[in-house]
Amino acid sequence: DGGITQSPKYLFRKEGQNVTLSCEQNLNHDAMYWYRQDPGQGLRLIYYSQIVNDFQKGDIAEGYSVSREKKESFPLTVTSAQKNPTAFYLCASSIRDRVESGANVLTFGAGSRLTVL
Amino acid sequence: AQSVTQPDIHITVSEGASLELRCNYSYGATPYLFWYVQSPGQGLQLLLKYFSGDTLVQGIKGFEAELKRSQSSFNLRKPSVHWSDAAEYFCAVADNYGQNFVFGPGTRLSVLP
Repeated sequence: DGGITQSPKYLFRKEGQNVTLSCEQNLNHDAMYWYRQDPGQGLRLIYYSQIVNDFQKGDIAEGYSVSREKKESFPLTVTSAQKNPTAFYLCASSIRDRVESGANVLTFGAGSRLTVL
Repeated sequence: AQSVTQPDIHITVSEGASLELRCNYSYGATPYLFWYVQSPGQGLQLLLKYFSGDTLVQGIKGFEAELKRSQSSFNLRKPSVHWSDAAEYFCAVADNYGQNFVFGPGTRLSVLP
């Protein structure tokens, strides 16, 4: 079945460490996204990528970095510069709706929970 | 700028009762509108979407939503709630290009047996 795989499901980080969250999709979607979820705040966009080798900052990109070397993969690195990294991270991908031109639909992975010790 | 509000942080209903979750959006024109559901510790699943046409939209799991442009609302409804509907529900909007998604803060639904 096609879908988005995020790993690891749970990750613990010590202060000052960089960690990388994996996101792989086999949906053949062009666009991929990283969101951060905190209780009561909905989802906030960290980075997104419309095509391979190109990505754009979202609303809260500071302290994060990404790469898009392959269409299927969009890893997120949480750097030591991120002051409050404990959160639930969601990866998503999108394809334009085939019926309604111009409208994308987001498909999400199961998420990764990062905790800073 | 687009924005989405979900006035109810937490709603509790009895199993079998009807449900309405509120969503209000702010946007210059009619945006693309979505409802997603999230079970604890999981990703988001699309319930339904509105792009154009009929303002009453049917989704999965017996949910529907109605766009009321005069009120800038896109409320989610279900006539009879099941215990398995307990989850968090997010309303979202996207711009005319179908990009730049903005999510509301979510409404947590609890279902009493």
